[in-house]
Order: sequence, then structure tokens, then C-alpha cells
Amino acid sequence: GQNIDQPTEMTATEGAIVQINCTYQTSGFNGLFWYQQHAGEAPTFLSYNVLDGLEEKGRFSSFLSRSKGYSYLLLKELQMKDSASYLCARMDSNYQLIWGAGTKLIIKP
Amino acid sequence: IAGITQAPTSQILAAGRRMTLRCTQDMRHNAMYWYRQDLGLGLRLIHYSNTAGTTGKGEVPDGYSVSRANTDDFPLTLASAVPSQTSVYFCASSDSGLAGDIDEQFFGPGTRLTVL
Repeated sequence: GQNIDQPTEMTATEGAIVQINCTYQTSGFNGLFWYQQHAGEAPTFLSYNVLDGLEEKGRFSSFLSRSKGYSYLLLKELQMKDSASYLCARMDSNYQLIWGAGTKLIIKP
Repeated sequence: IAGITQAPTSQILAAGRRMTLRCTQDMRHNAMYWYRQDLGLGLRLIHYSNTAGTTGKGEVPDGYSVSRANTDDFPLTLASAVPSQTSVYFCASSDSGLAGDIDEQFFGPGTRLTVL
């Protein structure tokens, strides 16, 4: 939705690393959020980037390049419980979130 | 109550009926939001409120109305439901309500609404 692009689905192996990319419209940008959503549940906050660079939080890291309109979420040491959808959201000039359709991550043993 | 609650959990509704989805938060957050989530689409903002007493229209407001009489409650009303309003509805809140003040949004468990 609204110029936020992320892959529809990805598959990875337990214990491995996966990178989920997100590209967005750069005009009126006030930050980039990542949320996790398990099937049938509410989204939960993972990370927020407003400046370029990498933010690390345990097994999860998020990267932002404002000039390229690009972010990624890096998940390390994948666990079966990481199977979920990962939602990228851009905060616009009105401080409202514009959401991507989400990337469904499937973890295989 | 801890966090955000929504009611009902799910509902099947006849087209043309009026329906109010309830949302209550106990975190004293300034801002509250209503989204709908449809398969293959991102969350879409229906209405929002930056602070008690004020509301604003989001991306898809048609057919919906809201009110914010106090800090805790933010009900969403469908005046005359149509099948295209079949969706999962999420209420969210955040501590920020003013421009330049950015905080994460916390989501309620959702209401699954089917309009026949």
C-alpha cells in the first residue's frame, strides 16, 4: 500500500539468518517502523529507525538508508516461533503510519 | 484491563445494520487509531484521534464514524454495514499525539467482522 514494497513471502531454515527488505517513498518521511504479526494476532512493535544506520536489538536488527528509501530487518539464529508476518511502515509528514502489505516468513526445521 | 481491549472479538452482521466496535485503553495514551486489515493489503487507517475531543480522517474513512469523548475510549461505528466492510479491525494507541513526538503504536487484539 501507498508505495511501500516488501516481498510477499520468504522461507528460511531454523538457526539461519534472513533479511527482509522494504522500499518506500522518500517524500515526507519521519521514520521507519517494523512490526511482527503472528497469524490471528495483533501486530507488535519490533524497531524504529529515523537516522541512517543499523539498530540492533538482540537477534533482530533494522537498517535504514534514507537517501535510497530502503530498510531491512535482519533476523539471526532463527527460531520456529519467528514464523510470522513482518510489517514495514513509514511515518509520513502527518505523523501517520503507512503500512506495507507484510512479508510472511516461513521457518523450516 | 491491561493495554488495549476490543469488543466484540468477532461478529457476523447483516448488510444495512448499524454496528459499533468498542476500544478501550488504560495506558493514558493521547493518540488512538482504527485500522482495517484485509488479505494482501497493508493496514489501512480509517480514523484517528490525536487527543480526547479531536478526531481525524484516515485513508479509508467512508462508511465509518468515530468519537473520542474521553482519553480511554474510541468507538468505531458503521452506520449501515456493507459487505465490503468485511475485515479485521484493529484499534491502536500511542503516547504521542502531537506532531514531532513519535512513539510506537500498541494494538488491541482485533475484531473480525463479517457483513453478509
